[in-house]
Amino acid sequence: GNSVTQMEGPVTLSEEAFLTINCTYTATGYPSLFWYVQYPGEGLQLLLKATKADDKGSNKGFEATYRKETTSFHLEKGSVQVSDSAVYFCALSDLGGAQKLVFGQGTRLTINP
Amino acid sequence: EAQVTQNPRYLITVTGKKLTVTCSQNMNHEYMSWYRQDPGLGLRQIYYSMNVEVTDKGDVPEGYKVSRKEKRNFPLILESPSPNQTSLYFCASSLSTGVWDEQYFGPGTRLTVT
Repeated sequence: GNSVTQMEGPVTLSEEAFLTINCTYTATGYPSLFWYVQYPGEGLQLLLKATKADDKGSNKGFEATYRKETTSFHLEKGSVQVSDSAVYFCALSDLGGAQKLVFGQGTRLTINP
Repeated sequence: EAQVTQNPRYLITVTGKKLTVTCSQNMNHEYMSWYRQDPGLGLRQIYYSMNVEVTDKGDVPEGYKVSRKEKRNFPLILESPSPNQTSLYFCASSLSTGVWDEQYFGPGTRLTVT
């Protein structure tokens, strides 16, 4: 079945550091790929998405590129802020039936000032 | 304000006592879904609904029921809760069932079953 694997957390960085959170997937066909973010005490919010190979999703300084050849969708940001501290989930849309998101296990990110 | 609301936000209950978690969206969305979030497992889908009176099982439906009598509401029912249903629950909705559609999530319900 379809699956998503994220890098293990937690990740702790200093403010203005470069961020990469790795995400790889296994899927049949060509799913859409998403990054969702969960701030403390809140529900998930869509951060960015890409719907086909080589698409780059971007939002709030975050970027991720849909790489079909490596089945990856790594999240990057050039200079993180304390306000980026959250849990980040990589997900893919399951094409097997109804729209269903298959999530990775989440990566907790903490940014220290 | 466009949103998905869930109630209650926190619930502590005992094994076997029936409970309902409500979910409501004000965006006229076709699709609604329930997920549970457990440490190290991410979110897993419990049930989903593609429209009124149309519901189907997700990946972990055992011990749960749902109904979709109105477009805006999608309650999650635990007929006889057990401790392994202690979890954080999220309701989500999207405009259609297109696989590229953004899902909007509620704030979550933290359930503890003792």
